[in-house]
Amino acid sequence: DIQMTQSPSFVSASVGDRVTITCRASQRIASWLVWYQQKPGKAPNLLIYDASTLQSGVPSRFSGSGSGTDFTLSISSLQPEDFATYYCQQADSFPYTFGQGTKLEIK
Amino acid sequence: QVQLVQSGAEVKKPGSSVRVSCKASGGTFSNYGVTWVRQAPGQGLEWMGTTLPLFGTAKNAQKFQGRVTLITDESTSTAYMELSSLRSEDTAVYYCARAVALGGSSLYCDHWGQGTLVTVSS
Repeated sequence: DIQMTQSPSFVSASVGDRVTITCRASQRIASWLVWYQQKPGKAPNLLIYDASTLQSGVPSRFSGSGSGTDFTLSISSLQPEDFATYYCQQADSFPYTFGQGTKLEIK
Repeated sequence: QVQLVQSGAEVKKPGSSVRVSCKASGGTFSNYGVTWVRQAPGQGLEWMGTTLPLFGTAKNAQKFQGRVTLITDESTSTAYMELSSLRSEDTAVYYCARAVALGGSSLYCDHWGQGTLVTVSS
C-alpha cells in the first residue's frame, strides 16, 4: 500500500497568515492527489483534486501543487472558517490511502 | 445539487452485522462511483472501498476483505455498505461519498453523506 505522510501534524496560525501543509507519498503517484478539509462533527469537504485543480466553490486562497511524491496545500490568507483538519489522499491506485491529517488551530 | 442522506446511528453486538444506506437526492449515482470511508473516534479517515460500474466489482481495502459488501442500486439511487463480524474496533462514523472518475483508476469524492455512527458494544 502507498503510505501518505503529512507534515506538520499540528499547526498554529493567526487570521491572515499564510500556511503550507506538505504531503509525501511513499511511491510516485503522478498528480493523483486529493485534499479534503474536515471540521469537527462534519463530513470531509473536497478542496482540490488532481493535485492542483480547485473544486468549484472553494475560495481561491486555497491552492495545491506537486507531482510524483511531494505535494503541498497552501492557504494564502487564513480566514476564521479555515481552522479545521486537512487530509491528503492518494488516488493513484487501490487501496486508496489518506495522510494522518493536519490540524490547523488558531494561535 | 445532489445530497447524500445516510441511515441513522446503529448500536450492534460484537459478531453481528450492520448495513448502512446512502440515498442520493437531487441526483443519481449514474456514471459515478460510491466510496465508503470510516473514522474511528478521534482518529483520521480510513478508505474502505469504492464501487464503480466501470470496475465491475467493488474495490475494497484488504483489511475488510470478506467482511464488507458494497452495493449500489441505481434504480433507487441508494448505496449500501454491509460490514459483518463486527468487533469493538469497528466503532466509527461511516461516510458514503459520490466518486468522480478522473482517469484510469483515479477518483475523487465531491459530495459526502452526513455520516452514520456505528457503535459496537456488548
